[in-house]
Amino acid sequence: SQTIHQWPATLVQPVGSPLSLECTVEGTSNPNLYWYRQAAGRGLQLLFYSIGIDQISSEVPQNLSASRPQDRQFILSSKKLLLSDSGFYLCAWSRDRLGSGNTIYFGEGSWLTVV
Amino acid sequence: SQQGEEDPQALSIQEGENATMNCSYKTSINNLQWYRQNSGRGLVHLILIRSNEREKHSGRLRVTLDTSKKSSSLLITASRAADTASYFCATDLEGRRALTFGSGTRLQVQP
Repeated sequence: SQTIHQWPATLVQPVGSPLSLECTVEGTSNPNLYWYRQAAGRGLQLLFYSIGIDQISSEVPQNLSASRPQDRQFILSSKKLLLSDSGFYLCAWSRDRLGSGNTIYFGEGSWLTVV
Repeated sequence: SQQGEEDPQALSIQEGENATMNCSYKTSINNLQWYRQNSGRGLVHLILIRSNEREKHSGRLRVTLDTSKKSSSLLITASRAADTASYFCATDLEGRRALTFGSGTRLQVQP
C-alpha cells in the first residue's frame, strides 16, 4: 500500500530564517506531488505541483520554492521566512493525471509558526 | 477567488439528523470530489462524482452534481458525533493538473 510521510509535524521559526519541509511517498512510482497551504480555518491554497523530477510548477509567486530531487521526494523551502508564511502545509500525491478520476492523498501536515 | 465555495461555512446539528453541504464552482470540470478534514489533520478523500454523473452514494454519503448550475451537494444521513470535521469540495478543472479546493464547511455534530 502507499503511504506518505511529511515532516516535521510542527515548527516555530523566527522571521528571516530558512525553511525546509520534506515529504516522501512510498509504494508507488512517478506520482504527481503537491504542496498546499492552509491558513487557520480556511481552505487550501495550491503552492506547487510536480509531475516528475525537476518538473515543478508554481501557482503563487512568493518567497517559497519547491524541489523534487528524487521521484518520490518533494521538498518545500524558503531562504527567508515572513510572518505571512505561517500556516498548515500539506503535502499530497496522486496517480497519473487527475482528469482520469484519480484522487489526492494527503500527508498529516506541518504546522509552521513564524515569530 | 476560490473556484469552489462551500455553503454554509459552519453547520451545527444533533446526532441522528442529516447534514447537507453545498458547493458552487465557476468553470467546467472533469469531476468534483469531496474531502474530510479532522481538526489539525490531513484531508481524506470521501467521494468522487464525474461530470457526466448526477448522483452518487457511498454508505451514509450522498453526492449530487448539477453541471448546469455548477453546483454540488453532500448529504450525510443519520449523522454521528464522529462526523464532526470540516468538509471540502474540490474540482478537477479541465486542463489543470491539480485539484482546486473550496473554503470548506465546518460541521459540528452534537451528541
